[in-house]
Amino acid sequence: QQQVKQSPQSLIVQKGGISIINCAYENTAFDYFPWYQQFPGKGPALLIAIRPDVSEKKEGRFTISFNKSAKQFSLHIMDSQPGDSATYFCAASIRGAGNNRKLIWGLGTSLAVNP
Amino acid sequence: KAGVTQTPRYLIKTRGQQVTLSCSPISGHRSVSWYQQTPGQGLQFLFEYFSETQRNKGNFPGRFSGRQFSNSRSEMNVSTLELGDSALYLCASSFTVALDTQYFGPGTRLTVL
Repeated sequence: QQQVKQSPQSLIVQKGGISIINCAYENTAFDYFPWYQQFPGKGPALLIAIRPDVSEKKEGRFTISFNKSAKQFSLHIMDSQPGDSATYFCAASIRGAGNNRKLIWGLGTSLAVNP
Repeated sequence: KAGVTQTPRYLIKTRGQQVTLSCSPISGHRSVSWYQQTPGQGLQFLFEYFSETQRNKGNFPGRFSGRQFSNSRSEMNVSTLELGDSALYLCASSFTVALDTQYFGPGTRLTVL
């Protein structure tokens, strides 16, 4: 119930193409869904995030699509560039006791954009 | 503003030893979380500290412990190291405990031989 399942594990896209990474969850108590981007040798960095009352959020070339009924959300990278090559993590946040929050992470997708 | 800093960046230890990792959060941030990152398990939450108190804990054995100081700096300790403890240990800071946005440091790469 606390899992976030991410696919694919790895992805190769040509420059200019669309990269799509999918995540699915079970627990309907999750109320915040961020995506993080991690480059080699660096920690993850927040890329874009969405709340379940919104079906889509766009920031530049990055778009999150959220399907509440299917309990799925996805990251679309339009016009993918070699500089987008990184590992992408989806996550889901849940509020617990004592106003604590916990982030449950997907296992990551390694994206390679070929020039 | 300076980002989250972690020291050391790389560490090699042998089984049975103990290790202490350090994290300095972004100035003004009072919450520090620790994660273990491995290729097979992804990011796994260890614990979170806020105002020197542990607020949240993941499912790790008691060999993993931490603390936070009055200046919000945090240390993580692993005792009796096992080969399986080899991982990238990430520290993340946020302004408050309930805030969703976490800012990660570059991590400490621990290798246990």
